[in-house]
Amino acid sequence: GQSLEQPSEVTAVEGAIVQINCTYQTSGFYGLSWYQQHDGGAPTFLSYNALDGLEETGRFSSFLSRSDSYGYLLLQELQMKDSASYFCAVRPDTGRRALTFGSGTRLQVQP
Amino acid sequence: DSGVTQTPKHLITATGQRVTLRCSPRSGDLSVYWYQQSLDQGLQFLIQYYNGEERAKGNILERFSAQQFPDLHSELNLSSLELGDSALYFCASSVGQADYGYTFGSGTRLTVV
Repeated sequence: GQSLEQPSEVTAVEGAIVQINCTYQTSGFYGLSWYQQHDGGAPTFLSYNALDGLEETGRFSSFLSRSDSYGYLLLQELQMKDSASYFCAVRPDTGRRALTFGSGTRLQVQP
Repeated sequence: DSGVTQTPKHLITATGQRVTLRCSPRSGDLSVYWYQQSLDQGLQFLIQYYNGEERAKGNILERFSAQQFPDLHSELNLSSLELGDSALYFCASSVGQADYGYTFGSGTRLTVV
């Protein structure tokens, strides 16, 4: 099966950099995805790492290390609008399975 | 607007009742996924359909069922409802059957009283 662990809550100040970690236990998967969800809103896709290393998309970057069973989402130049929940997700490589999501990290950006 | 349409947005019903949630995927997407999100919880995968056929099943209760119609819209049926079924139910869609980037609808908030 798949198990993804994230910190439940992270707090940071506007303009700072924050890293949201995701550690996983899975028999195998194709890649690590990240989604953002504002309170009362729908999850929206942020980034995907198929291979080890860093992927950068504007202020957001995502990293994957399969050897360490670990990934993270890095948010730079934090803005108030970044306050949201962030979920990591994997798609298992056994059988035809849909994305399995972590429990999510609530990011609170303070002025 | 993500292009994925879910109706209704809110639903309040009594225990023991049956409800149907509806989802229209984004134009061009063939896969539809259903997820359940309870208060302050992650997204629990229920079921996936691809081009009318069931492709994957998650932690879906026997009281719940779903289908995807020829026009690709999908319905999730929840029966013999219990208080614990109160949650946000999201539908998502993607082009293929093995994608990593889903487009989610705005969800249906179900309250069982």
